[in-house]
Amino acid sequence: AQSVTQLGSHVSVSEGALVLLRCNYSSSVPPYLFWYVQYPNQGLQLLLKYTTGATLVKGINGFEAEFKKSETSFHLTKPSAHMSDAAEYFCAVSPSGNTGKLIFGQGTTLQVKP
Amino acid sequence: DVKVTQSSRYLVKRTGEKVFLECVQDMDHENMFWYRQDPGLGLRLIYFSYDVKMKEKGDIPEGYSVSREKKERFSLILESASTNQTSMYLCATLQLQGMRGYTFGSGTRLTVV
Repeated sequence: AQSVTQLGSHVSVSEGALVLLRCNYSSSVPPYLFWYVQYPNQGLQLLLKYTTGATLVKGINGFEAEFKKSETSFHLTKPSAHMSDAAEYFCAVSPSGNTGKLIFGQGTTLQVKP
Repeated sequence: DVKVTQSSRYLVKRTGEKVFLECVQDMDHENMFWYRQDPGLGLRLIYFSYDVKMKEKGDIPEGYSVSREKKERFSLILESASTNQTSMYLCATLQLQGMRGYTFGSGTRLTVV
C-alpha cells in the first residue's frame, strides 16, 4: 500500500533562511508526487508536482522539489523564506495510472520568524 | 481557472441530524473527491466519484454516503451526525488528462454538538 511520511509536524525558520520540508513515500509503482500549501482558512493549492521526466521540479512562489527514487524522497525547498510562506504544507502521492486518488502526508506547519 | 465551490464555510449541527455538504465545480472534471482534514492526520479520503452516479469508498467511509446525480455536483451526506465527525471537510476535483492535480474548494468546517 502507498503511504506518505512528512518528517516534522512543525518547522520554524527565520526570514531569509533556507526552507526544507521533508517527505518520504512508499509506492509499489512509479508514483506521481505533489506538494500542496494551505493558508489559514483556505483550501489547498498546488505548489508543484512530479509525474515523469526531470527530477528537479520548480513550482510557484520560488519553491522546488527533487524526486529521488533511490531514497524514496520528494523534499520541498526554498532558498530564502518569506513571512508569507507561513502555512501548512502537504506532500501527496498518487500511483500512476489510477483514478487520481491521492494519499496525503500528515502535514507540516511552517513558521517564519522575523 | 477551475472553481470548486462548497456551499457552506461553517456549519453547526446537532448529534443525530442528517447533514448535507454540497460541492459544485464549473469545469466538467470527471473525478470528484471528499476528504476530511484533522490536525496531525492530514487529509483522509472519505469517498470519490469518477462519473455521474458512480462512487467508490475511500479510506474512512463509515458514517458517510455520497450522491452524484449531475457531473458538476458531488454531495457528502452524514446520515446521523456524531461528535467525532466534527472536522474540516474538503472537496476536490481532478481532470485526469494531463494529471494536473487536484483543485480544492475552500472547505466546510463542521461542528457537531
